Amino acid sequence: SAVISQKPSRDICQRGTSLTIQCQVDSQVTMMFWYRQQPGQSLTLIATANQGSEATYESGFVIDKFPISRPNLTFSTLTVSNMSPEDSSIYLCSVANSGREQYFGPGTRLTVT
Amino acid sequence: GENVEQHPSTLSVQEGDSAVIKCTYSDSASNYFPWYKQELGKRPQLIIDIRSNVGEKKDQRIAVTLNKTAKHFSLHITETQPEDSAVYFCAASYGADGLTFGKGTHLIIQP
Repeated sequence: SAVISQKPSRDICQRGTSLTIQCQVDSQVTMMFWYRQQPGQSLTLIATANQGSEATYESGFVIDKFPISRPNLTFSTLTVSNMSPEDSSIYLCSVANSGREQYFGPGTRLTVT
Repeated sequence: GENVEQHPSTLSVQEGDSAVIKCTYSDSASNYFPWYKQELGKRPQLIIDIRSNVGEKKDQRIAVTLNKTAKHFSLHITETQPEDSAVYFCAASYGADGLTFGKGTHLIIQP
């Protein structure tokens, strides 16, 4: 199966700043997604990263707050903008091909102070 | 949108016994139902999945059943072992959409 990496693995940021998280896959994949997992909670889908076009956001998530890029079939970025302590969470990318099985990256642990 | 309910939130079983985790979903269009295992500090790991054209699927000690009419699906783990201790999440999706997850079940295997 694909090897998925995320950078950074963790970061501590000040409120009001922005952080860009990278997701890299070692082979081309059809679908890439971004999820958030708050401490001790379940996973919530933020958006589907579409290659060459705007991401598709879930209810409660907006492009101005979480801009996403996907320039090719192996790479995507998620930016968390104008951060507040409520944005402290683990952010995970996942990838899938036509079989629909989704595999997750190792996650980025974000703490906002 | 889809809503997935998962029960119980915590399940404690004796080593060697069976464990069953149940989920219900709200959107009858959902047609893909995976289960993930997440150990502390690790990423969610896909352990088994089922599609809506199948009623049951088995892989060694784990099995998943699906009842489309009732809109519920279950994970069965037999002969539980200490390494089965983790948080288990069910999820549902339609087509190539992203997943809607249940709230998770903390499975504890008592020695």
